[in-house]
Amino acid sequence: NAGVTQTPKFRVLKTGQSMTLLCAQDMNHEYMYWYRQDPGMGLRLIHYSVGEGTTAKGEVPDGYNVSRLKKQNFLLGLESAAPSQTSVYFCASRPTGTRNEQYFGPGTRLTVT
Amino acid sequence: GQQLNQSPQSMFIQEGEDVSMNCTSSSIFNTWLWYKQDPGEGPVLLIALYKAGELTSNGRLTAQFGITRKDSFLNISASIPSDVGIYFCAGIPSGTYKYIFGTGTRLKVLA
Repeated sequence: NAGVTQTPKFRVLKTGQSMTLLCAQDMNHEYMYWYRQDPGMGLRLIHYSVGEGTTAKGEVPDGYNVSRLKKQNFLLGLESAAPSQTSVYFCASRPTGTRNEQYFGPGTRLTVT
Repeated sequence: GQQLNQSPQSMFIQEGEDVSMNCTSSSIFNTWLWYKQDPGEGPVLLIALYKAGELTSNGRLTAQFGITRKDSFLNISASIPSDVGIYFCAGIPSGTYKYIFGTGTRLKVLA
């Protein structure tokens, strides 16, 4: 049971390039989340999904798109990277029901030059 | 966006000392979570709380869900060097799927 995994772990992009971050979970969780973590800002929600085929905007969605084609995977896309998107990105998942325990992946450190 | 008020921001303590930190919110929460994050790693869930007044332990860690449902506390007893890291709280306001996070307490333990 690997929990939540993220690929890649590190990436450097040039301004204007695109990329996709992959999150996978093997816990059969319905809910999945993408966050970014910046110094002094804490964790901020980018997008989230409450089930396969559904997505919703979080606090800071601009410049990002997501897809949840399979229950176990949640993809975060940057269509045209900007230096302001330099950050550490975390994926998380949680089950449905009253147990609201959210589990995080190891993170992807992205630098946009 | 909304963030939780977490204090203290940082702590330097001697090995063996006890540690206390807390989070407060202007909203009522139905869940409180406490996480620890090591450098370069993802947050790891330590304790989850679901009822006002609930007191839950995980080894040397004890957390409480405040009676008002607007605060939570984490205590670490007899600290050891591996307790070093950033601890942060998270909560879920009633009626949402979204988590609100504290800004973290950076703990350093001096041997």
